[in-house]
Amino acid sequence: LAKTTQPISMDSYEGQEVNITCSHNNIATNDYITWYQQFPSQGPRFIIQGYKTKVTNEVASLFIPADRKSSTLSLPRVSLSDTAVYYCLVGDGPTNAGKSTFGDGTTLTVKP
Amino acid sequence: DVKVTQSSRYLVKRTGEKVFLECVQDMDHENMFWYRQDPGLGLRLIYFSYDVKMKEKGDIPEGYSVSREKKERFSLILESASTNQTSMYLCASSFADTLRPPLHFGNGTRLTVT
Repeated sequence: LAKTTQPISMDSYEGQEVNITCSHNNIATNDYITWYQQFPSQGPRFIIQGYKTKVTNEVASLFIPADRKSSTLSLPRVSLSDTAVYYCLVGDGPTNAGKSTFGDGTTLTVKP
Repeated sequence: DVKVTQSSRYLVKRTGEKVFLECVQDMDHENMFWYRQDPGLGLRLIYFSYDVKMKEKGDIPEGYSVSREKKERFSLILESASTNQTSMYLCASSFADTLRPPLHFGNGTRLTVT
């Protein structure tokens, strides 16, 4: 199972775009990259998932370079309510993704 | 909308007690998972199940057991609770055979063992 590395913390201001990068050097051919968001006293919540290039939904974008050894979660125009912990997870389906270690994630703090 | 419900938000138990944490999902998911979350250690997988009566150990199964008698319900059992099992426990579920579904989490049970 691919191991991931993320920055421990990031600070931003309201209205800015935030990019959080995750390294996964030993990603396997069949692995997908999934990002989750967690607020205090809640379980993680799915944000976005991708395999290659770029994926966009109503909440975020996910950029994956051709070698797939890293990925970047992009949050446009963050607000105070985006303050949370963000986790990057790699696996070839929900079973193996669920078995992956979530790690500490990236604590994003959005300031006014 | 998928719902994963954990029976208690907060539990306080005494050392040596047998503790049951219950999780129910309403989406007919094959997979169910139990994690614990501790500051500085992230989410660590305790056990998971990919079918009724099936279970597999995760990274930290010691001191825990699980039961899955029905597809929608996955129970985590602390046979003899200890203070080092004080933690946030999170249950998750997912489909097994579709291509890219995410994990769906409950809101957690904060267990304190005194």
